Amino acid sequence: QKEVEQDPGPLSVPEGAIVSLNCTYSNSAFQYFMWYRQYSRKGPELLMYTYSSGNKEDGRFTAQVDKSSKYISLFIRDSQPSDSATYLCAFGRRALTFGSGTRLQVQP
Amino acid sequence: ETGVTQTPRHLVMGMTNKKSLKCEQHLGHNAMYWYKQSAKKPLELMFVYSLEERVENNSVPSRFSPECPNSSHLFLHLHTLQPEDSALYLCASSQDKYTGELFFGEGSRLTVL
Repeated sequence: QKEVEQDPGPLSVPEGAIVSLNCTYSNSAFQYFMWYRQYSRKGPELLMYTYSSGNKEDGRFTAQVDKSSKYISLFIRDSQPSDSATYLCAFGRRALTFGSGTRLQVQP
Repeated sequence: ETGVTQTPRHLVMGMTNKKSLKCEQHLGHNAMYWYKQSAKKPLELMFVYSLEERVENNSVPSRFSPECPNSSHLFLHLHTLQPEDSALYLCASSQDKYTGELFFGEGSRLTVL
């Protein structure tokens, strides 16, 4: 079993849609949970960072962690074409363990 | 300059060449990392340096040789690479090792012929 599972997409949505991105993980030792965004030809940049189960909101973005189900989600409200990127989930204990990324395309 | 800077952005090399990738961070961080990113695969951690000391070597073949002369600079020396080593090589830094928030450079796209 892979340590992290993430659907590669691509996921194509119309502008203004609510987007849900998900990852599952198997290592219960992970202590923190993160989402990175990677635009084409750029390095990843940190989007959201949380330690605990529950929801964390930052503007149009909400990160959700369910430790009991080993499942994390990123919700994007009112999606914009500028949100088109690859979204990487990441899990921390020592060095980060990354998912393979979901490519999102928001159509104007 | 600010952030993490990588050079060159693109590199094409033959299997018998020797080349180096360079990374410089202007954030005052104490830890630096090399990651390999291949299509449709997760980021693979290659090396971790903390205060210029290598603290992790993630079973990387010896044809990849890192060097960290000071806390701001990190090199990846390449020699006798294979075509399967073609990938995007990303450098990152963080305040301290394993603190979670990584700041990435834009990467060096390597093609091995």
